[in-house]
Parts: sequence; structure tokens; C-alpha cells
Amino acid sequence: KAGVTQTPRYLIKTRGQQVTLSCSPISGHRSVSWYQQTPGQGLQFLFEYFSETQRNKGNFPGRFSGRQFSNSRSEMNVSTLELGDSALYLCASSSGTVNTEAFFGQGTRLTVV
Amino acid sequence: DQQVKQNSPSLSVQEGRISILNCDYTNSMFDYFLWYKKYPAEGPTFLISISSIKDKNEDGRFTVFLNKSAKHLSLHIVPSQPGDSAVYFCAASAKSNYQLIWGAGTKLIIKP
Repeated sequence: KAGVTQTPRYLIKTRGQQVTLSCSPISGHRSVSWYQQTPGQGLQFLFEYFSETQRNKGNFPGRFSGRQFSNSRSEMNVSTLELGDSALYLCASSSGTVNTEAFFGQGTRLTVV
Repeated sequence: DQQVKQNSPSLSVQEGRISILNCDYTNSMFDYFLWYKKYPAEGPTFLISISSIKDKNEDGRFTVFLNKSAKHLSLHIVPSQPGDSAVYFCAASAKSNYQLIWGAGTKLIIKP
């Protein structure tokens, strides 16, 4: 069974630009969650999508948005990039039911210059 | 308001000895707890979980203990190996909410 795939692995963008990150969950999983991890920080929850609907949302500004497609693949978009958006962005896949573990992708390392 | 707390940012343990990582929670609605291990620049890897109906779960060298009255759980790694050096995250969830709530992580360093 293939794991969670995130693309691209690395990205360098300029301040003010926008970026789109992609996540393909484990086959059969309907939930995709996105997290931001900055150096020395824990996992900051961005949002969760389940069956194409945003089910949970963290405390990030509206510049951060996402969507999920009918095949459960998800994209995350960050507009008007700021230097502070430089981070490792992680996607987690799960069945979406209660009391179940999530499986993470390798992450996308975004650097804003 | 941090609902899941890992109060030790780092822990250093001799190879071969026991590593004990601690996690406290405040939300009494949490009924499922998980531990993840994370290497730098990689995604976290699921290690072990425990339901609130149990007080202990074992998987090889890893054992998780849950003390519901104290709202405390711990991860024991015996014996500790060099490859165990990583950041360990504790997470919790409640039936009423599908979202995993994460602790800040504890960096475990295994000394040779």
C-alpha cells in the first residue's frame, strides 16, 4: 500500500508570491490534515478536509487555504507569502473516523526569500 | 490553552537504559492517545496508541501507560537504542472531535 505522497519536497519562493502544495493520501483514506512546523516548534494545525469538506480549522490567517478533491487528494495554498511562512508543511492521512491514527507524508520544505 | 503538554523539551538517556517520555492532558473528553516519532526534515511516524479503556499497551520495545485520574501518559522505550534519538510527540483525540491535539514534543538523545 503506497504511503502519503507530498509534492514538491522542496520549494523556494519570493516574498509576495503564492504557492500550492499537494498531498495524495493513502488509498481509501478520506481525511487529510495539514500542519506547519517551524524550527524548534511543534506541529501547528492548519486545517482538515474530509470528503471534500473542511471539517476542522486551526488559527492561521486567511492567506492559508486548502481544498480536497473527489479522489481525496488535497492541495494547500498560501498567498502573499511572508518570510515567516518558511517552514516544513506536513500532510497527514487518516480514515477520518474517531480514534484512529494519522499517517504523515515526508513534508514539503518551503523557503521564502 | 495547551490541552496536551510535554513539559520536557529534551531528554538524554544512556544507550541500553530505559527512556521515559511524559505527556499530560487537561481535556477529560480525550479518549485516545498516540505517540509519534519524528526525525529532522521528515514527517512524524506513528509509534503506538492507547484507548482510554486501557491503562497499558505494549509493542516490542515500546510501552505506553495511561493514568486517567492523573491525566497523564508516558512512553517507555526499553532498551534505548541510538536510532531512537528523535523528537517524540504525544497526541490526543476525543470522540466528539476528529482532530488530533498535539504536544510540543520532547527531543530524545540516546548517548552511546
